Amino acid sequence: NAGVTQTPKFQVLKTGQSMTLQCAQDMNHEYMSWYRQDPGMGLRLIHYSVGAGITDQGEVPNGYNVSRSTTEDFPLRLLSAAPSQTSVYFCASSLTGKNYGYTFGSGTRLTVV
Amino acid sequence: QQQVKQSPQSLIVQKGGISIINCAYENTAFDYFPWYQQFPGKGPALLIAIRPDVSEKKEGRFTISFNKSAKQFSLHIMDSQPGDSATYFCAASILPRQLTFGSGTQLTVLP
Repeated sequence: NAGVTQTPKFQVLKTGQSMTLQCAQDMNHEYMSWYRQDPGMGLRLIHYSVGAGITDQGEVPNGYNVSRSTTEDFPLRLLSAAPSQTSVYFCASSLTGKNYGYTFGSGTRLTVV
Repeated sequence: QQQVKQSPQSLIVQKGGISIINCAYENTAFDYFPWYQQFPGKGPALLIAIRPDVSEKKEGRFTISFNKSAKQFSLHIMDSQPGDSATYFCAASILPRQLTFGSGTQLTVLP
């Protein structure tokens, strides 16, 4: 089925470890973004991309890197995991017109111990 | 700084009742106001959305009411059903499409 695919679904990291959360979409969406979801805080934007080769920071970018080498993939890298990065991470994609909603992946639940 | 404030944090409604969730925004440049529904273990899914040139939009049992002068908008769920039990997020955006989300409302519809 078409959509946004996130891997892994669950991950436990030790403090200081690095890892990459994968996100892929097959809908030819130009716009992709990463959000983190924490209780009582809604979803906060980490990084976003309006097309291949173009990325920008969102509200909470510290400790995270992204790249967009293809239209389909938008990986999120944790450089040195910290307990404060324990969260559920969602990738979303959209066409860039005014009337298109986001399609979200099913999320990655990350625990940093 | 939270640009979209959502209330209540949780809501319990009897089956058949009306669920009302409210949001207020600060940035008058926002030009797109969607509502998302999220079930446990799933990603949010677009439910309904409105543009600021319209005061109300209805899709089935779901209605958005929009008050531009008050910078407020709300979601009304008519004839609420147990299957509507989920977390609801309001959001707002300006081009190029970064969504700012409210903090969420956990809705429970009792059978």
